[in-house]
Amino acid sequence: EIVLTQSPATLSLSPGERATLSCRASQSISTYLAWYQQKPGQAPRLLIYDASKRATGIPARFSGSGSGTDFTLTISNLEPEDFAVYYCQQQGFTFGPGTKVDIK
Amino acid sequence: EVQLLESGGGLVQPGGSLRLSCEASGFTFSSYAMSWVRQAPGKGLEWVSTISGSGGSIYYADSVKGRFTISRDNSKNTVYLQMNSLRAEDTALYYCAEDVLWGQGTMVTVSS
Repeated sequence: EIVLTQSPATLSLSPGERATLSCRASQSISTYLAWYQQKPGQAPRLLIYDASKRATGIPARFSGSGSGTDFTLTISNLEPEDFAVYYCQQQGFTFGPGTKVDIK
Repeated sequence: EVQLLESGGGLVQPGGSLRLSCEASGFTFSSYAMSWVRQAPGKGLEWVSTISGSGGSIYYADSVKGRFTISRDNSKNTVYLQMNSLRAEDTALYYCAEDVLWGQGTMVTVSS
């Protein structure tokens, strides 16, 4: 079973700043990586699939990159509604432990 | 309306069984793989199981292999999760999911 690790565990930033979240796989998963956002009391929302493709309706400030074992989610110009927990997932399978983006 | 609606959660004793159901509507159900994902209170997301659109390919997390069984009935637009030999650590909100579309979850509590 492939293991995903995410860093940092918590990212404290201010609105308008840039967030860079990392996800590393224990073995190559090509570009089969998705990113989800979850807010308290809500189901997760798909942001990115196939490592770099934005899901329908996701703002352009969210971007994904990477392949193989190392992946990055970048949120440029953080909006107040972006403060949440972000999970990476080997598509259809395991999730990473999550990165919490909170307000500094 | 495109949606997933889970049901079947509840309180069960350790060692007991429960069957979760997830009814889909608004899309061509048989064309999509479906997954069960759980989230223990205050914890992260944990993938549980995935079944292909035809039902011919099935995958389980190591933590549930041999105890849980996923299945689907495409004539009823429904995916199931049969959970046996339940443990306290199986306590969680169980989501039915298809990549973009997620249900609101059904709570399973394993306690004596």
